[in-house]
Amino acid sequence: SQQGEEDPQALSIQEGENATMNCSYKTSINNLQWYRQNSGRGLVHLILIRSNEREKHSGRLRVTLDTSKKSSSLLITASRAADTASYFCATASYSGAGSYQLTFGKGTKLSVIP
Amino acid sequence: AAGVIQSPRHLIKEKRETATLKCYPIPRHDTVYWYQQGPGQDPQFLISFYEKMQSDKGSIPDRFSAQQFSDYHSELNMSSLELGDSALYFCASSLKGGTQYFGPGTRLTVL
Repeated sequence: SQQGEEDPQALSIQEGENATMNCSYKTSINNLQWYRQNSGRGLVHLILIRSNEREKHSGRLRVTLDTSKKSSSLLITASRAADTASYFCATASYSGAGSYQLTFGKGTKLSVIP
Repeated sequence: AAGVIQSPRHLIKEKRETATLKCYPIPRHDTVYWYQQGPGQDPQFLISFYEKMQSDKGSIPDRFSAQQFSDYHSELNMSSLELGDSALYFCASSLKGGTQYFGPGTRLTVL
């Protein structure tokens, strides 16, 4: 079974509009993180929300977490053409040995049309 | 600020050959992670090291091995390469339990 299923798989919006991406997961988590990836490039960490938090803001980003529904959403407000990228949610599972592994969802491909 | 460095950035190999990917973490980071991302796929966790010891293992094939050295850099060794190993390989580093910062990736193509 897949952790971090994302919805929608692709999203196309006009510049200035808001973009909302959703993520669902299956197991208990320590935290949930959102990453951005430009085509074929590295992953850039956007925001982390802990399991005891419900909402978090960072600039134009707003993340919510509902642990009862095992879901999270990422809202990008006032989108720009430069926001065009794939967005992944990732759940963190700690191994207890000083590290944790991220389990990524399939990602949402966002296209912002100028 | 210094970022994670990966080398080489691109690598082309034939089937059954071996490949070694290198990762240099952000200075003072003590944890290194390796992920594999196939075409159009999400990244999959392979293995991680904390303070030079293996700390967690994911879906890493037995043909692959990795280690973290005394200077904290890490190498992923891949043997008997298969066509299906063609992917982007990412290294990430962090302070213990902290945010993972990803490198630019190595694109491996197996012909």
